[in-house]
Amino acid sequence: AQKITQTQPGMFVQEKEAVTLDCTYDTSDPSYGLFWYKQPSSGEMIFLIYQGSYDQQNATEGRYSLNFQKARKSANLVISASQLGDSAMYFCAMREGRGSGNTGKLIFGQGTTLQVKP
Amino acid sequence: DSGVTQTPKHLITATGQRVTLRCSPRSGDLSVYWYQQSLDQGLQFLIQYYNGEERAKGNILERFSAQQFPDLHSELNLSSLELGDSALYFCASSVALSGDSSGNTIYFGEGSWLTVV
Repeated sequence: AQKITQTQPGMFVQEKEAVTLDCTYDTSDPSYGLFWYKQPSSGEMIFLIYQGSYDQQNATEGRYSLNFQKARKSANLVISASQLGDSAMYFCAMREGRGSGNTGKLIFGQGTTLQVKP
Repeated sequence: DSGVTQTPKHLITATGQRVTLRCSPRSGDLSVYWYQQSLDQGLQFLIQYYNGEERAKGNILERFSAQQFPDLHSELNLSSLELGDSALYFCASSVALSGDSSGNTIYFGEGSWLTVV
């Protein structure tokens, strides 16, 4: 069965510094996608970055990058040059590939609350 | 703006009542997902529709039901409401079913905050 684990309930980072949010996953499907979402206090769920299981390079989107280590089944999110507006809950999620019976639903981790200090 | 529209944004209702949450997916997206987020349960998958047909069920109570209409919008019906149903309900949509392409990202609406009093 699929599982996403985020072991850091809460983290602090100083403004302008980089921070890494951990995520490990478990799946028997060779084809899958890994996602990170940001949920600010207002509640909306904002898509940040995607990594496919067959992608050779780590994904990057602006200040966000995904440190994908397939053998270790980890997909850590790195936020560079943190800003006050980065304070939010961050969720790691996984979606299976095209295998028979896969519904494509997202499985979420428990989330990590990030607070950026001025 | 994700392109997924949910209404209403906030809803307060009494125990025992029934409410309907509405979702319009992004243009071109055939798959709609409903999730419930509560403080104690985290994000829970409720149900999924693909092109009008139910595709998967998660932890959805029998008091809850959903459907996807021919124009692809979806409704989640919550009945006999209890205090514990108070939560943020998300609708999300995607083009296809698999996660092995960046083009198949699931996008979320802003959510519907339900408070049962």
